[in-house]
Amino acid sequence: EPEVTQTPSHQVTQMGQEVILRCVPISNHLYFYWYRQILGQKVEFLVSFYNNEISEKSEIFDDQFSVERPDGSNFTLKIRSTKLEDSAMYFCASSGPSGVNQPQHFGDGTRLSIL
Amino acid sequence: DQQVKQNSPSLSVQEGRISILNCDYTNSMFDYFLWYKKYPAEGPTFLISISSIKDKNEDGRFTVFLNKSAKHLSLHIVPSQPGDSAVYFCAASSWETSGSRLTFGEGTQLTVNP
Repeated sequence: EPEVTQTPSHQVTQMGQEVILRCVPISNHLYFYWYRQILGQKVEFLVSFYNNEISEKSEIFDDQFSVERPDGSNFTLKIRSTKLEDSAMYFCASSGPSGVNQPQHFGDGTRLSIL
Repeated sequence: DQQVKQNSPSLSVQEGRISILNCDYTNSMFDYFLWYKKYPAEGPTFLISISSIKDKNEDGRFTVFLNKSAKHLSLHIVPSQPGDSAVYFCAASSWETSGSRLTFGEGTQLTVNP
């Protein structure tokens, strides 16, 4: 069964550094998402992406964050100048092809630890 | 954000019996609801969904019930198996949001005892 893959599985970064989290969505999906889960808290939506542009973003997704689909298969989340509170599990998801009322399929996540 | 709430942090059932997981929501604009299962160190795995035009959807051992007037949904697992032990999340999305963001509940840890 096709799956969403995320790399790396664990990223340790010094506060203030930039980090890029990578995702390969399911190949025929057209809608891409990032979520995060801080330890002990709910899974929170960050951003959705379709047709090479952001379709929705949450209040968490400020100027520190950016997303990109640099080629036909990868979808990345960049966090500039990381803060301690960015430590969390980051999940990538994809859905499609219609996007409406389609289940989102998640990768296994990247654990981001900011020191 | 309390729009989706799972009031039971944990549930324990015997193998072979029914597991019933509950979820309440407050946003009347939600029109699509999903259940995910999550094992430690893995991402959420999609189980079953239901749109607001239905009140029941069944897939094998899993059935989701939606009560729109009560803003309540439930997941029934029959019969429960030890491999079903995991955290179960309900999630919802709204036609209002162009990006189909999912709003998640807190999760319920299901333990199925042999």
